[in-house]
Amino acid sequence: AQSVAQPEDQVNVAEGNPLTVKCTYSVSGNPYLFWYVQYPNRGLQFLLKYITGDNLVKGSYGFEAEFNKSQTSFHLKKPSALVSDSALYFCAVRRPNNAGNMLTFGGGTRLMVKP
Amino acid sequence: DSGVTQTPKHLITATGQRVTLRCSPRSGDLSVYWYQQSLDQGLQFLIQYYNGEERAKGNILERFSAQQFPDLHSELNLSSLELGDSALYFCASSVAGQGAGNTIYFGEGSWLTVV
Repeated sequence: AQSVAQPEDQVNVAEGNPLTVKCTYSVSGNPYLFWYVQYPNRGLQFLLKYITGDNLVKGSYGFEAEFNKSQTSFHLKKPSALVSDSALYFCAVRRPNNAGNMLTFGGGTRLMVKP
Repeated sequence: DSGVTQTPKHLITATGQRVTLRCSPRSGDLSVYWYQQSLDQGLQFLIQYYNGEERAKGNILERFSAQQFPDLHSELNLSSLELGDSALYFCASSVAGQGAGNTIYFGEGSWLTVV
């Protein structure tokens, strides 16, 4: 079975500082990994994905994520946080060659960026 | 705006009742997914349809059913509602039914409150 863990329920960071939201995964075979963001009373917005290739993936709004196979991690990063980045972030994994196409999500991490 | 449209945005109904949630996928997308987001269960995959056919099934209760119509819109039917069914129900869509790099785009959700 595939699973995703987001070990931190909440991450607090000051505006202008770098931020990291952690994600680890468990899946047989090569994983396909995704990050989504959910703003209050909104749907999930796609940020970025890792399928293959370069371990550093760049996405929307200045976010990037680093795939680390040995540590089974896919942490989300941004060099300089904005107050407007405050939201709920979800990591997700898709098992390769699964019958459907669905994503399995982590429990989410709330990011609070303080001015 | 992801291009995935869900109606209604909010719904309040009584226990034992039946409701239907509607979803229009992004233009050109053949696959539709339904997810449930609740505080205690997080984001749970319910079911996926591809071009009118059921492709994958997740943690969908027997009281719940879904279908995808020839025009590719989808409906999620929830019956004999219980208090615990109160949640945010997301519809999502993607171009294909399967594929590692396939990005899934989410609508803004339908808030269901069962009283």
